[in-house]
Amino acid sequence: AQSVTQLDSQVPVFEEAPVELRCNYSSSVSVYLFWYVQYPNQGLQLLLKYLSGSTLVKGINGFEAEFNKSQTSFHLRKPSVHISDTAEYFCAVSEVNNNDMRFGAGTRLTVKP
Amino acid sequence: GAGVSQSPSNKVTEKGKDVELRCDPISGHTALYWYRQRLGQGLEFLIYFQGNSAPDKSGLPSDRFSAERTGESVSTLTIQRTQQEDSAVYLCASSLVLAGYYGYTFGSGTRLTVV
Repeated sequence: AQSVTQLDSQVPVFEEAPVELRCNYSSSVSVYLFWYVQYPNQGLQLLLKYLSGSTLVKGINGFEAEFNKSQTSFHLRKPSVHISDTAEYFCAVSEVNNNDMRFGAGTRLTVKP
Repeated sequence: GAGVSQSPSNKVTEKGKDVELRCDPISGHTALYWYRQRLGQGLEFLIYFQGNSAPDKSGLPSDRFSAERTGESVSTLTIQRTQQEDSAVYLCASSLVLAGYYGYTFGSGTRLTVV
């Protein structure tokens, strides 16, 4: 079955700095990849997803992610973060033609003033 | 409905009691998923339904956990003889067929506290 590893459990960063949250996946077949965000005391929201085609995917709130098949990675980036980006970010993978999705352990992004 | 609805939003129960958690998916979503999120941790897959069939029950932690779904609507997750380690937020999500393509819509979760 597929699996996901988020390499950083916590990422502190100053406001307006760039950020990259790392995600690696494992699967023997083609996959779809997702990033979800969970703001404090809220449910999960879809940030962006990669299905096929262009490997650079743009999502909401200025985030983007790049699918790298050779490195089995799907890192999330934002060129300039805001205080309001403070949240837990989850990477997820789903195998094509498979109905369940597996999540990473999450990365807590803390943006400091 | 407009979103995935879970009830109750909070549940405090005594150790050893049974609890029932409910999930009402988005109308028309054939797939329904249960995850558990312990404090400060990631999402742990429990079970998913395609219609009222559960092809993958591998994530259920023990035989105290069970789930059922009526048709393509409401699902119930039941935990028997609750233990303190069952304390967590239980998240439900639903999706159209081929969830991997469309992604999930999550409910707000049920926070279960076993005392």
